[in-house]
Amino acid sequence: AQSVTQLDSQVPVFEEAPVELRCNYSSSVSVYLFWYVQYPNQGLQLLLKYLSGSTLVKGINGFEAEFNKSQTSFHLRKPSVHISDTAEYFCAVSGSNQGGKLIFGQGTELSVKP
Amino acid sequence: DTEVTQTPKHLVMGMTNKKSLKCEQHMGHRAMYWYKQKAKKPPELMFVYSYEKLSINESVPSRFSPECPNSSLLNLHLHALQPEDSALYLCASSQVLGQGTFTPQHFGDGTRLSIL
Repeated sequence: AQSVTQLDSQVPVFEEAPVELRCNYSSSVSVYLFWYVQYPNQGLQLLLKYLSGSTLVKGINGFEAEFNKSQTSFHLRKPSVHISDTAEYFCAVSGSNQGGKLIFGQGTELSVKP
Repeated sequence: DTEVTQTPKHLVMGMTNKKSLKCEQHMGHRAMYWYKQKAKKPPELMFVYSYEKLSINESVPSRFSPECPNSSLLNLHLHALQPEDSALYLCASSQVLGQGTFTPQHFGDGTRLSIL
């Protein structure tokens, strides 16, 4: 069985500061990992994905994440956040032969303050 | 602009009403999904269609009835809902790559459903 743990439910940060949102997963099979962002009153938007290859993945809006197999982590980082990054962030995992199922973490609310 | 379009954006209905939620995508994706999302929670998978056939039903109550009339459309028919069914209903789509793998899911903006 697969599961995802997002270690922080809320992360407050000041504008232009760096941020890291933490995600750990468990799986008995090879995994594909994703970060999605959800702005208020909107659906989920894919920020970045790890399918295979380089463990450092760059996404949209200046975000990046690093896949660490030994620590079963996929933490999301941004060197300098903006007010507009305020949103809910979801880490998710899927695997082959799972019928396309995504397993989501509980989400991290990023709040960027001026 | 979202490539997955959901209508209506908002829906208020009584417990005895029958209504439908609609989802449309024109990306040529052959897998489509319905999710339910409560406030401050992650989306919960309800149904998956692959090549217009229901492939996953996550033990959803029968008052929710999905339908996939063609590869671009996905409906969710609602009947005799309960107040606890009030939530944001999200549709998503992805491409089927074979060997049990799929491309990342694209989500619509959802229908916010309120049951009186």
